Amino acid sequence: VQLVESGGGLVQPGGSLRLSCAASGFTFSSSWMHWVRQAPGKGLVWVSRIHSDGSLTTYAHSVKGRFTISRDNAKKTLYLQMNSLRVEDTAVYYCATGGNWNSWGQGTLVTVSS
Amino acid sequence: QAVVTQEPSLTVSPGGTVTLTCASSTGSVTSGHYPHWFQQKPGQAPRTLIYDTSNKHSWTPARFSGFLLGGKAALTLSGAQLEDEAEYYCLLSYSGARLYVFGTGTKVTVL
Repeated sequence: VQLVESGGGLVQPGGSLRLSCAASGFTFSSSWMHWVRQAPGKGLVWVSRIHSDGSLTTYAHSVKGRFTISRDNAKKTLYLQMNSLRVEDTAVYYCATGGNWNSWGQGTLVTVSS
Repeated sequence: QAVVTQEPSLTVSPGGTVTLTCASSTGSVTSGHYPHWFQQKPGQAPRTLIYDTSNKHSWTPARFSGFLLGGKAALTLSGAQLEDEAEYYCLLSYSGARLYVFGTGTKVTVL
């Protein structure tokens, strides 16, 4: 099982960024998926979850209305569209498999700064 | 939104036993919160140790065990090793497993 995040970088406050998580080694289309973030030196924070077929999504209160989780099962890829970014969104963003949370990616760093 | 609280830090001697707990601001933690436990070492991604209260993954060392204790989720480390020094996070599910909240984390020192 492998999860590889990409798309992180430096963005100005109010800007947008789309993260990707490429999956391999398991049946991606059957797996719930999560995004989790961790600000520098801080704890883990759950961000969002998506059902295996993309039909159900849920979000943490802090990102609801600004972030959108989606997936392309044909490409075995999970996405996180992040809009109206704030300084406090600065973090390493991890994708992880749902259910038993058995696999995590290595994370991609998002820095929101002017 | 619920707040999930853990001990900030715990110290255990090599070979010793330590228990970490995970409390919810909404009340008692039950199996319906599907408690999970994660280990994170500096500079690394988290690794899942325990899922659904007490189930272990194939890579979870036998010295770790999860359970419910006095209205909290708990993780016991029996026979601590130097390599177990890490940050440990619990995770609870809410609203029919639609929302999730990580605990504040416990830094375990093996000394």
